[in-house]
Amino acid sequence: AQSVTQPDIHITVSEGASLELRCNYSYGATPYLFWYVQSPGQGLQLLLKYFSGDTLVQGIKGFEAEFKRSQSSFNLRKPSVHWSDAAEYFCAVGTLGGSQGNLIFGKGTKLSVKP
Amino acid sequence: DTAVSQTPKYLVTQMGNDKSIKCEQNLGHDTMYWYKQDSKKFLKIMFSYNNKELIINETVPNRFSPKSPDKAHLNLHINSLELGDSAVYFCASSQDLTGGNTIYFGEGSWLTVV
Repeated sequence: AQSVTQPDIHITVSEGASLELRCNYSYGATPYLFWYVQSPGQGLQLLLKYFSGDTLVQGIKGFEAEFKRSQSSFNLRKPSVHWSDAAEYFCAVGTLGGSQGNLIFGKGTKLSVKP
Repeated sequence: DTAVSQTPKYLVTQMGNDKSIKCEQNLGHDTMYWYKQDSKKFLKIMFSYNNKELIINETVPNRFSPKSPDKAHLNLHINSLELGDSAVYFCASSQDLTGGNTIYFGEGSWLTVV
């Protein structure tokens, strides 16, 4: 069965510092991978997604993620964090084959940003 | 224009009551979903509908009944509310059931059962 693991429950970084949020997935084939962000009291916004091709994916708000098949990982990065990036980040895997189309989410990583 | 809109955003109600959450999408999508986010922020799918047909029905109490009057709407009705139903419920939609489609989420409905 598909699953997604986000090993870090809570990360705190200083404003201006670089960020990497970890995501590992378990899936039998090439997955579709997503990162969503949820600001406090808000819904989920798509940051970026990976389908195929270039393993380094650019997203909105200066985020990028790299798909590494050998490590079953899809880590999210940002070179310089802004205070407005404080939020909950969710990694998700989409099912391949078209039978369902839903997403399996990780448990999320809460990002706090220090001034 | 909000792509996926759900109402109400906040709902506080007593145990035993029946309540509904409405959802509408204006994206022309065929597939709609209900996800539940628990107190630990874990998101899990509850239901999905494609062209008004039920596709996914996860292990959800039958007190929860989704209804899709047309492709653009997927409402969630909950009978005999329990304390454990307190959560954030997200409606979502995607173009169709093809794997890998982006799923667009509404802003959530915060349900508190007292």
